[in-house]
Amino acid sequence: QKEVEQDPGPLSVPEGAIVSLNCTYSNSAFQYFMWYRQYSRKGPELLMYTYSSGNKEDGRFTAQVDKSSKYISLFIRDSQPSDSATYLCAMSRNSGNTPLVFGKGTRLSVIA
Amino acid sequence: GAVVSQHPSRVICKSGTSVKIECRSLDFQATTMFWYRQFPKKSLMLMATSNEGSKATYEQGVEKDKFLINHASLTLSTLTVTSAHPEDSSFYICSKVAGGSYNEQFFGPGTRLTVL
Repeated sequence: QKEVEQDPGPLSVPEGAIVSLNCTYSNSAFQYFMWYRQYSRKGPELLMYTYSSGNKEDGRFTAQVDKSSKYISLFIRDSQPSDSATYLCAMSRNSGNTPLVFGKGTRLSVIA
Repeated sequence: GAVVSQHPSRVICKSGTSVKIECRSLDFQATTMFWYRQFPKKSLMLMATSNEGSKATYEQGVEKDKFLINHASLTLSTLTVTSAHPEDSSFYICSKVAGGSYNEQFFGPGTRLTVL
């Protein structure tokens, strides 16, 4: 079993839809959870950063972490064509200079 | 967010040549940087941790003599792919940590290497 599992998609939704992306993980030691957006041939861009369980909202984006289920989610409200990208979840055990473990990424297309 | 640059953005080289990729932290010093590799439609895989003033730490399966990492200053880490082969063709991305008690990582724009 891989440490982090993420459905690669592709996921196609109409403009304005609510998008739900998620990852599961196997290592209960993970405490820090991140979502990155990556456009084609670009480096990943940090979208959301959360510590431990709970919700965090930033504009149209909401990140949820359920450590008891080892499940994290990213919700995108009122999706826009510009949201079309690959979304990667990432996590780590510790803070500071700790490398991240990434999911495979989910490719999202928002159709106008 | 933190600013990380990479150079070159794209390189095409012949098999057997060496290629150097630079990763710079433009806003604050970074004692630690990470190098990742990403194959098409695959996730980022950590190659090594670059530490300023000391040897890099390589992940299992990554040849340290093939992927030379130098972190000579607090703002610059370099990755040299030596004697490149077509199977080394990939997207190489570096990152650094925000610092303090956080560990948000900020990534460079990546370097696409194509070995003919």
